[in-house]
Amino acid sequence: QKEVEQDPGPLSVPEGAIVSLNCTYSNSAFQYFMWYRQYSRKGPELLMYTYSSGNKEDGRFTAQVDKSSKYISLFIRDSQPSDSATYLCAMRSYGGSQGNLIFGKGTKLSVKP
Amino acid sequence: NAGVTQTPKFRVLKTGQSMTLLCAQDMNHEYMYWYRQDPGMGLRLIHYSVGEGTTAKGEVPDGYNVSRLKKQNFLLGLESAAPSQTSVYFCASGGSGRYEQYFGPGTRLTVT
Repeated sequence: QKEVEQDPGPLSVPEGAIVSLNCTYSNSAFQYFMWYRQYSRKGPELLMYTYSSGNKEDGRFTAQVDKSSKYISLFIRDSQPSDSATYLCAMRSYGGSQGNLIFGKGTKLSVKP
Repeated sequence: NAGVTQTPKFRVLKTGQSMTLLCAQDMNHEYMYWYRQDPGMGLRLIHYSVGEGTTAKGEVPDGYNVSRLKKQNFLLGLESAAPSQTSVYFCASGGSGRYEQYFGPGTRLTVT
């Protein structure tokens, strides 16, 4: 079982829809969770950073962590064509090697006008 | 404030040639990383550095060498390029005591 699983999509939604992007993980020690947005032919851009369980909101974006289910989500409200990108989740545990940030393989999202 | 920059943006090499990719960051970050991104494989860590003069191996270090002579720069070297090293290479940096990483725009490398 891979440490982090992410549905690759592609996911296609109409403009204005609510989008739900998800990752599951197997390591119960993970406590730090991030979402990155990557536009085509660009570098990943940090969107959200959360610690432990709960929700974090930033504008149209909400990150949710359910540690009991080992499941994290990114919700995008009122989606826009400019949200079309690949979304990567990333996570790690406390301490240990600084190199231990584990990435999902990304979900490709397309928002149609 | 440019963040993380990478040089060059594109490069085509012949098998057996060597090259160096340069990463620079102006955020005074302690940590720097080199990843490769391939279709279906996601981001894979090649090498990383926790400070000036230090380097450590990541998940896929074979065929690559790195150096961090200055805090703001992290160099990735390919001594004898192979077609399997055709990929998009990303550099990232992160602050001391923090786990989030900030990425550069990438270098597209093709080895023929």
